[in-house]
Amino acid sequence: QQQVKQSPQSLIVQKGGISIINCAYENTAFDYFPWYQQFPGKGPALLIAIRPDVSEKKEGRFTISFNKSAKQFSLHIMDSQPGDSATYFCAASRNSGYSTLTFGKGTMLLVSP
Amino acid sequence: DGGITQSPKYLFRKEGQNVTLSCEQNLNHDAMYWYRQDPGQGLRLIYYSQIVNDFQKGDIAEGYSVSREKKESFPLTVTSAQKNPTAFYLCASSILNEQYFGPGTRLTVT
Repeated sequence: QQQVKQSPQSLIVQKGGISIINCAYENTAFDYFPWYQQFPGKGPALLIAIRPDVSEKKEGRFTISFNKSAKQFSLHIMDSQPGDSATYFCAASRNSGYSTLTFGKGTMLLVSP
Repeated sequence: DGGITQSPKYLFRKEGQNVTLSCEQNLNHDAMYWYRQDPGQGLRLIYYSQIVNDFQKGDIAEGYSVSREKKESFPLTVTSAQKNPTAFYLCASSILNEQYFGPGTRLTVT
């Protein structure tokens, strides 16, 4: 009930290509969906987040697409760069006060030069 | 310079010893969290606290303890009862849903 399933586990994209990471959730009470970026040996950093009142949110090269009926959301990284090589985590929570986040297991992205 | 600090960055302990990991924040956030990260496992919630002098167990609290005596501080003790303590430990704080993470402490128990 509380799971967030993330795919793929790992991804290799050529420089300039589009990286796409997908997440699916089960709990219909979830209504806040952030993405985190983590470099090796560092803490995760909040990248971008979406709430279900919109179907898409874009910040620079990063876009979240959200499909409420399918209970799925995805991260698109346009014009992927070697500096984007990192592990990406999706998460979900109820948008009520200090609700805890449920994380996906992560996707290791490698952007080849 | 606002943020979350965790110390030390690397920690080594012998099996059977308790060890306390430090987490401090100067963001004036009410809520604080501890996660454990293992390869391929994502982030798993150990404990969280929404207010001083109150905390709740997360998904994997067994073998861990916490205290929240000050708003700025949320130390985590890894006790000898934790069967597999070697991991990367992450502290976070939040303003409502938006969680911000510290740099982490890598604990190795041999």
